[in-house]
Amino acid sequence: DQQVKQNSPSLSVQEGRISILNCDYTNSMFDYFLWYKKYPAEGPTFLISISSIKDKNEDGRFTVFLNKSAKHLSLHIVPSQPGDSAVYFCAASISYSGAGSYQLTFGKGTKLSVIP
Amino acid sequence: SQTIHQWPATLVQPVGSPLSLECTVEGTSNPNLYWYRQAAGRGLQLLFYSVGIGQISSEVPQNLSASRPQDRQFILSSKKLLLSDSGFYLCAWSVRVQARYGYTFGSGTRLTVV
Repeated sequence: DQQVKQNSPSLSVQEGRISILNCDYTNSMFDYFLWYKKYPAEGPTFLISISSIKDKNEDGRFTVFLNKSAKHLSLHIVPSQPGDSAVYFCAASISYSGAGSYQLTFGKGTKLSVIP
Repeated sequence: SQTIHQWPATLVQPVGSPLSLECTVEGTSNPNLYWYRQAAGRGLQLLFYSVGIGQISSEVPQNLSASRPQDRQFILSSKKLLLSDSGFYLCAWSVRVQARYGYTFGSGTRLTVV
């Protein structure tokens, strides 16, 4: 059962326009949602996260929106730049307070291509 | 500052040969450690995680095993590689109870089993 879904395997956007990457989840116990960016042959790097008690978090050109009722989140990149071309992974966490740890569940990723 | 080292970067191994991938973390104590695999065209699959020395949890039954002989060292092994073990292997670490920062990943190992 895939608890975190990224239904678009790829997305192409013109430079300067907005990129919108979407993610859906099924487990209402997730307490944090994160976005990672991955270049080929490199490890993913953390981009931005949002707590389940918030509906928006912004960091420079990157904004994440969370709609809990729809179990949906999205990452907006404005304006898009060619260097943003990468695979973007959505992830969700469940904290285990007793063990003081948490675990991330990743989507399958969306490949973003920003065209100059 | 914390850093994570993973090696080798690329590896070509024949079917049936053993495997040992190593990952070390610097600048932090008692991290949670993870091994992930990204197969061609697929997402990130959690293979193993560890919350302490000698403690390993396996997420997916398979031909691989993991060990944590020291606090900041995590090893992925196989006695006999299969063709299906090919993929991009990633080590990661995290600090407990800081989910907002997620995991920090190493640079990965591209394993090709021939």
